[in-house]
Amino acid sequence: DAMVIQNPRYQVTQFGKPVTLSCSQTLNHNVMYWYQQKSSQAPKLLFHYYDKDFNNEADTPDNFQSRRPNTSFCFLDIRSPGLGDAAMYLCATSREPAEETQYFGPGTRLLVL
Amino acid sequence: DQQVKQNSPSLSVQEGRISILNCDYTNSMFDYFLWYKKYPAEGPTFLISISSIKDKNEDGRFTVFLNKSAKHLSLHIVPSQPGDSAVYFCAKVTDKLIFGTGTRLQVFP
Repeated sequence: DAMVIQNPRYQVTQFGKPVTLSCSQTLNHNVMYWYQQKSSQAPKLLFHYYDKDFNNEADTPDNFQSRRPNTSFCFLDIRSPGLGDAAMYLCATSREPAEETQYFGPGTRLLVL
Repeated sequence: DQQVKQNSPSLSVQEGRISILNCDYTNSMFDYFLWYKKYPAEGPTFLISISSIKDKNEDGRFTVFLNKSAKHLSLHIVPSQPGDSAVYFCAKVTDKLIFGTGTRLQVFP
């Protein structure tokens, strides 16, 4: 009865080679978030979708893009991964924006070679 | 500008004793905070919250205290159990969640 699913759990890519991470949810929540978490750092919000409305954080690099084709799925595209983009990427959902309880997936650990 | 700080990266506590995890914050007019717990290879899961209308919120073995004048909150786990071993994040709720860096709690027998 997984609620927020992230695939793959581990992703290896090459420097500069585009990569896509996926997230799906069975909660029918309106909001889906993507966070980046580097080692020993706090999870950092990259952007979120409220339904079809995309909300980018001001300091999210242009290299990061997102797509939400329907309520259940959301993708994180990294157009040209650099070594500094190696991190854990967490997807989360909530019913409404700024709702206190967000439900997180297990994350995808990205390694850039 | 680190708005949420967890200054202790790790904490080790004996089973049965109290675990106290601390969190300091800045720049908050409306104080609403969450604690999340994260096991390895899993995403963070919501544990407990507290708002500025309270200075304490309790849920079983978990109690969170909020000291608004000091801009400090703490999570108490009593009694600590080995299954509590995880990374604990505090987070401030604004228009988004702002997380601290986490404290790794290890509860040993």
